[in-house]
Amino acid sequence: AQKITQTQPGMFVQEKEAVTLDCTYDTSDPSYGLFWYKQPSSGEMIFLIYQGSYDQQNATEGRYSLNFQKARKSANLVISASQLGDSAMYFCASRGNSNTGKLIFGQGTTLQVKP
Amino acid sequence: EAQVTQNPRYLITVTGKKLTVTCSQNMNHEYMSWYRQDPGLGLRQIYYSMNVEVTDKGDVPEGYKVSRKEKRNFPLILESPSPNQTSLYFCASSFREMNTEAFFGQGTRLTVV
Repeated sequence: AQKITQTQPGMFVQEKEAVTLDCTYDTSDPSYGLFWYKQPSSGEMIFLIYQGSYDQQNATEGRYSLNFQKARKSANLVISASQLGDSAMYFCASRGNSNTGKLIFGQGTTLQVKP
Repeated sequence: EAQVTQNPRYLITVTGKKLTVTCSQNMNHEYMSWYRQDPGLGLRQIYYSMNVEVTDKGDVPEGYKVSRKEKRNFPLILESPSPNQTSLYFCASSFREMNTEAFFGQGTRLTVV
């Protein structure tokens, strides 16, 4: 069974600074995908970034990058140059090669950006 | 615009009164799922569907029903809601490939009193 662990319930960061949100995963699937989603206070789930287990390079999408360390089973999200609009809850999720389309989510990390 | 549409956004109901939350996607996705989000637990899968007429239980299916008569629609049915089903519900859809992201509906905040 897959499991995602996010150990930081809440974090603060100063505007314009970088912040790392931690995510560790546990899976027995030989191949899998790792996702990060953002949930602002309005409630919707916004896809941010994807990393495949066989990808050689760390994924990047604008100010978001994923620090993927396969041996450590970690997939930390790095947000550079934080903005006030980055204040939200962030979820790490994994998807294995089952036929369910199922995403396994962590508990989430609430990020607050201070002006 | 590619989207997953969920309705209603907010719903307050009484124990035992049957309700349906609708979900529709316009991206021709094979997979559709329902999740519930509770504080400290993240999102947990309730039911999923791999294609028309193919549905199966997720991790927390008790008290819920689903159907997939058309590819685009995947309604969630609560036959006899109870207070422990008070939660934030999300419908999601995706292609079958593992490296594709899931698209989520706007969420339905359900309160059962």
